[in-house]
Amino acid sequence: KNEVEQSPQNLTAQEGEFITINCSYSVGISALHWLQQHPGGGIVSLFMLSSGKKKHGRLIATINIQEKHSSLHITASHPRDSAVYICAVGRWYGGSQGNLIFGKGTKLSVKP
Amino acid sequence: DADVTQTPRNRITKTGKRIMLECSQTKGHDRMYWYRQDPGLGLRLIYYSFDVKDINKGEISDGYSVSRQAQAKFSLSLESAIPNQTALYFCASQGSSVTGELFFGEGSRLTVL
Repeated sequence: KNEVEQSPQNLTAQEGEFITINCSYSVGISALHWLQQHPGGGIVSLFMLSSGKKKHGRLIATINIQEKHSSLHITASHPRDSAVYICAVGRWYGGSQGNLIFGKGTKLSVKP
Repeated sequence: DADVTQTPRNRITKTGKRIMLECSQTKGHDRMYWYRQDPGLGLRLIYYSFDVKDINKGEISDGYSVSRQAQAKFSLSLESAIPNQTALYFCASQGSSVTGELFFGEGSRLTVL
């Protein structure tokens, strides 16, 4: 079982819909990262959080440390939100996986 | 200028050739990483470095080597490229804290024929 699981793997939405992407993890973490990868490859950091909730524009990220779960919400979705969203957790120690463990990503497609 | 710069962005090479992918960052970060991304497999760690004198193997280090020339520079080498090393490679940096924000390069697409 992967230590970081994302759901759904693929998501298609209509423009304007409210979108939720989930991330569950099974290890103790120092922080959780949400990343965005547009077609063409580049990866950008959206949020880093260790507790509570953060908001940036139409994006909201929440984390529940006790339940080992985080959600990324997109309000009023737009076709330009189409991308792969990746959850990554930071651990306090390294090892062969390093201190970051990545989910496999959620591919979001927003139709006009 | 980008926070993390990778060169080259695209490279096509032949089996057996030596390839170097270079990465430089302007954030003053101690932590740097090399990942490869393959369809359906997500990001997998090749090597990481927590400071100039600290280099660690990741889960898929076989066939790769790295050099941390300075705090800002972290290079990945394929000594003798093989076709299954065809992938998209990412360099990333992170601040000194385990809770530091991540910065990724634009990626280097490598094709080994």
